[in-house]
Amino acid sequence: RKEVEQDPGPFNVPEGATVAFNCTYSNSASQSFFWYRQDCRKEPKLLMSVYSSGNEDGRFTAQLNRASQYISLLIRDSKLSDSATYLCVVFSGGYNKLIFGAGTRLAVHP
Amino acid sequence: NAGVTQTPKFQVLKTGQSMTLQCAQDMNHEYMSWYRQDPGMGLRLIHYSVGAGITDQGEVPNGYNVSRSTTEDFPLRLLSAAPSQTSVYFCASSPAQVGFDGYTFGSGTRLTVV
Repeated sequence: RKEVEQDPGPFNVPEGATVAFNCTYSNSASQSFFWYRQDCRKEPKLLMSVYSSGNEDGRFTAQLNRASQYISLLIRDSKLSDSATYLCVVFSGGYNKLIFGAGTRLAVHP
Repeated sequence: NAGVTQTPKFQVLKTGQSMTLQCAQDMNHEYMSWYRQDPGMGLRLIHYSVGAGITDQGEVPNGYNVSRSTTEDFPLRLLSAAPSQTSVYFCASSPAQVGFDGYTFGSGTRLTVV
């Protein structure tokens, strides 16, 4: 079983739609959680951290469920520019414990 | 600031050749790392460094060497290239030992080994 698992998608949604991604992790001792965005053939860039209480940044909302060991990302009012791959990243302590999911691809169409 | 600079952007090697992927950062970050990204897989850690003179292995270190003689530079050496090393390589840096909010990636090197 992979340490961090994501649905690869693609999620094809129209502009203005709301879309949600989930990510599950296997290490219950994981400490920090992040969502990164990666555009085609580009480097990953931090989208947002995921806090225990949940957090929101504009149209993006991240949630953490420690009991079920998953994190989620909700995107409201999708824009064409949201089309990208979203990487779930889990930090379990130690420099070699930053684990990346394979990513979920989102395609927003007009 | 330039951030994290990787060179070259593209490279084709023949099996058995050696080469060095360059990575430099101008943010005075202590922590630097090398990842490889393959289709359908998450980024996998090759080697990392927590400061000048200190390096350690990640998840997939075989076939690669690193050194960290300065804070700014963290080159990755392929000793004898193999087709299995065909991948996209990313260098990343962070200012802190914990908390990866400041994790900055270079633009990547696309390597093909034939």
